[in-house]
Amino acid sequence: QQQVKQSPQSLIVQKGGISIINCAYENTAFDYFPWYQQFPGKGPALLIAIRPDVSEKKEGRFTISFNKSAKQFSLHIMDSQPGDSATYFCAADTQGGSEKLVFGKGTKLTVNP
Amino acid sequence: KAGVTQTPRYLIKTRGQQVTLSCSPISGHRSVSWYQQTPGQGLQFLFEYFSETQRNKGNFPGRFSGRQFSNSRSEMNVSTLELGDSALYLCASSSGLADGYTFGSGTRLTVV
Repeated sequence: QQQVKQSPQSLIVQKGGISIINCAYENTAFDYFPWYQQFPGKGPALLIAIRPDVSEKKEGRFTISFNKSAKQFSLHIMDSQPGDSATYFCAADTQGGSEKLVFGKGTKLTVNP
Repeated sequence: KAGVTQTPRYLIKTRGQQVTLSCSPISGHRSVSWYQQTPGQGLQFLFEYFSETQRNKGNFPGRFSGRQFSNSRSEMNVSTLELGDSALYLCASSSGLADGYTFGSGTRLTVV
């Protein structure tokens, strides 16, 4: 049973465009929703994270939108750059609970110059 | 400050052998988690250690085990290796506060 569903699997955008990656979760006990960025040969790196008490969080060009009632959250990358080309993973966790990070399957983003 | 260090970076083992992977967390971090990453299954949680105790365990067979030492360094062991164990094994450390997990670059295990 896949507890966090991520889409699309791959995404191609032009430089300067907006990249949008969506995730949906099932377990209402999840209370921490991070996004990770992974480059080839590297481990995932925390990009931005949100908790369900806020609907949006912005850090630079990266924004998480969170819809608690729909159990969905998304990552928006504004003004996408070729250096943003990587695989992005959404995840969910119940910090302090028995669940640990549950990851989506990942989205391979390619930003064309 | 130094990040999460995993050794070795690459390993090639034969079916039936066993392997031990090592992880040194960020200084001061007491929680260490292990994940398996494969193209088909993605990132899957193996287990988590905190202060030398296994706190959580994922849905993996008993061939996968781990331990944590008093200095928070952790090792994971896989016995009786199978071809399907070929994967990138990632270690992540956390302070336990709301600052997320920091991953190492992983150990790429190939079973032939």
